[in-house]
Amino acid sequence: AQTVTQSQPEMSVQEAETVTLSCTYDTSENNYYLFWYKQPPSRQMILVIRQEAYKQQNATENRFSVNFQKAAKSFSLKISDSQLGDTAMYFCAFSGDNAGNMLTFGGGTRLMVKP
Amino acid sequence: KAGVTQTPRYLIKTRGQQVTLSCSPISGHRSVSWYQQTPGQGLQFLFEYFSETQRNKGNFPGRFSGRQFSNSRSEMNVSTLELGDSALYLCASSLGTSRYRNEQFFGPGTRLTVL
Repeated sequence: AQTVTQSQPEMSVQEAETVTLSCTYDTSENNYYLFWYKQPPSRQMILVIRQEAYKQQNATENRFSVNFQKAAKSFSLKISDSQLGDTAMYFCAFSGDNAGNMLTFGGGTRLMVKP
Repeated sequence: KAGVTQTPRYLIKTRGQQVTLSCSPISGHRSVSWYQQTPGQGLQFLFEYFSETQRNKGNFPGRFSGRQFSNSRSEMNVSTLELGDSALYLCASSLGTSRYRNEQFFGPGTRLTVL
């Protein structure tokens, strides 16, 4: 069974600064998908960024980028130029290639962006 | 395009009762997954339906069941409610095709309180 671990329950960052959220996972599969989801206080989960394990290049989406280290089973999220609207719970999630749409989530990191 | 909708948004039930939650996916999406979110256990996968067939099931007791209709709308049912079933129940939809199979869009959730 896969496990996803987020070791930082809470983090804070000043507006306009950069913050990195950590995620490690454990799997015996060779191909899989990794995701970062954001859940703002309004509760609706939003996909931030997606990485396919067979792609060496790290995914980027505007101010969000990942550092995917397959051998180390590490998948961190970097948020540049943090904005107040980035305040939310962030969940790292894993989906195996043969698991349909089943997502295994980490415990989440609560990020507070301070003005 | 309208997003994923869930009804009702809030529900209060008493122990022993049963409850049915509904989820309407994004138009064209054929896969619907359900997750339970609690402070203690985090986000846990319940089940996934694709083209009216259950494709995956998480580690939950048989009191939790679901189904999907021909229009891709899905319902989940919890019978003989227990206090521990109090949670936010999230529904997520996906195209379900091989390329975008794992990219899911979440609804706002149904907050179930069991008294």
